[in-house]
Amino acid sequence: EAGVAQSPRYKIIEKRQSVAFWCNPISGHATLYWYQQILGQGPKLLIQFQNNGVVDDSQLPKDRFSAERLKGVDSTLKIQPAKLEDSAVYLCASSLLAAVTGELFFGEGSRLTVL
Amino acid sequence: ILNVEQSPQSLHVQEGDSTNFTCSFPSSNFYALHWYRWETAKSPEALFVMTLNGDEKKKGRISATLNTKEGYSYLYIKGSQPEDSATYLCAFSSGDAGGTSYGKLTFGQGTILTVHP
Repeated sequence: EAGVAQSPRYKIIEKRQSVAFWCNPISGHATLYWYQQILGQGPKLLIQFQNNGVVDDSQLPKDRFSAERLKGVDSTLKIQPAKLEDSAVYLCASSLLAAVTGELFFGEGSRLTVL
Repeated sequence: ILNVEQSPQSLHVQEGDSTNFTCSFPSSNFYALHWYRWETAKSPEALFVMTLNGDEKKKGRISATLNTKEGYSYLYIKGSQPEDSATYLCAFSSGDAGGTSYGKLTFGQGTILTVHP
């Protein structure tokens, strides 16, 4: 079974530039999550999709971050314009069900450095 | 905002040592507690998902216990090996259906384990 795919693995940009990350979840997984993990902190949920609808985006900085999940499969996360504090690992995860008693399956993450 | 604390932040042990670390979480409105292992340059991988007070789970040399009444979980590794070196993350989910944290996973900051040969 193929796992969660993310790209790019690494990205270096200057502040005020834009960047986009892509995620392909495990086939058949209805729920998709984007987490931000800043060095020294735990992963923080940015947005959760159920199929192609947003379940929770309360911690997404909507002035600069946007995310979509077209057709309920792949998802993209965009940052525009980037700030220094956006340097982090962006993790995509998927799960079969929305309930969090089921485990999350993570991708390898996209590491962003903003200079 | 839910507070999930892990201790210690980092740990260095020798190969063969047994070790354990702690995850503390709010004791009210418990729903589930997850443990993940995150090796460098790899994906975080689920170890355990625990839902019942007193639950004990085991996978090979790794085991975990859960106390929902006092709000903590322990992760134990018996006979640590260098391949156990990783960051161990716990994540808590609240069962407060009226709260904003319902169904969400809140992660601790992780315990970084280094096992020296």
